[in-house]
Amino acid sequence: GENVEQHPSTLSVQEGDSAVIKCTYSDSASNYFPWYKQELGKRPQLIIDIRSNVGEKKDQRIAVTLNKTAKHFSLHITETQPEDSAVYFCAASHGNNRLAFGKGNQVVVIP
Amino acid sequence: GAVVSQHPSWVICKSGTSVKIECRSLDFQATTMFWYRQFPKQSLMLMATSNEGSKATYEQGVEKDKFLINHASLTLSTLTVTSAHPEDSSFYICSAQDRGLYGYTFGSGTRLTVV
Repeated sequence: GENVEQHPSTLSVQEGDSAVIKCTYSDSASNYFPWYKQELGKRPQLIIDIRSNVGEKKDQRIAVTLNKTAKHFSLHITETQPEDSAVYFCAASHGNNRLAFGKGNQVVVIP
Repeated sequence: GAVVSQHPSWVICKSGTSVKIECRSLDFQATTMFWYRQFPKQSLMLMATSNEGSKATYEQGVEKDKFLINHASLTLSTLTVTSAHPEDSSFYICSAQDRGLYGYTFGSGTRLTVV
């Protein structure tokens, strides 16, 4: 099955700086790659996703890039704000198969 | 957008009792429901996948007789934790997949504490 690795496990950034989280996946057939933000005790919230037919997608301060050859995708958060502090999970899936999640990344934005 | 309602949001039960958690898709038909468990500071671990009208598929290491899943309709799936023990205390969360779409919508989660 799919195996998703997520790095780094924790990331501290100064407010206003950029944060980048990288994930690698193992199944070359995976074609859907969402990113979730989870605050303590709450459900994961989809913040951005990308499908395998595109290499990059951007939504305001958030962007995701996909490198199918290298089987990795990254989340980019620019102009970070304290409210960006949370745990971020990447995931990958193939068609209607279940999502395989990375272990999560704790992002701390220092005011 | 798609909404999944999950109840209860938290529950405290005594060891040996059973707890039922419900997930309802409010504005779409959930052909597939995924049930996850999340321990503190850990990722979401898939427990089982259920398709409407058929038996659930459990992940390795998950006891199907302990975690009973029912997906009798396209809008309702339930997870029953039977004979709960303190080690079953966790955050349980469902995720529904809309028919024909890639999107996965999460329920709000259930914090289970077994005392």
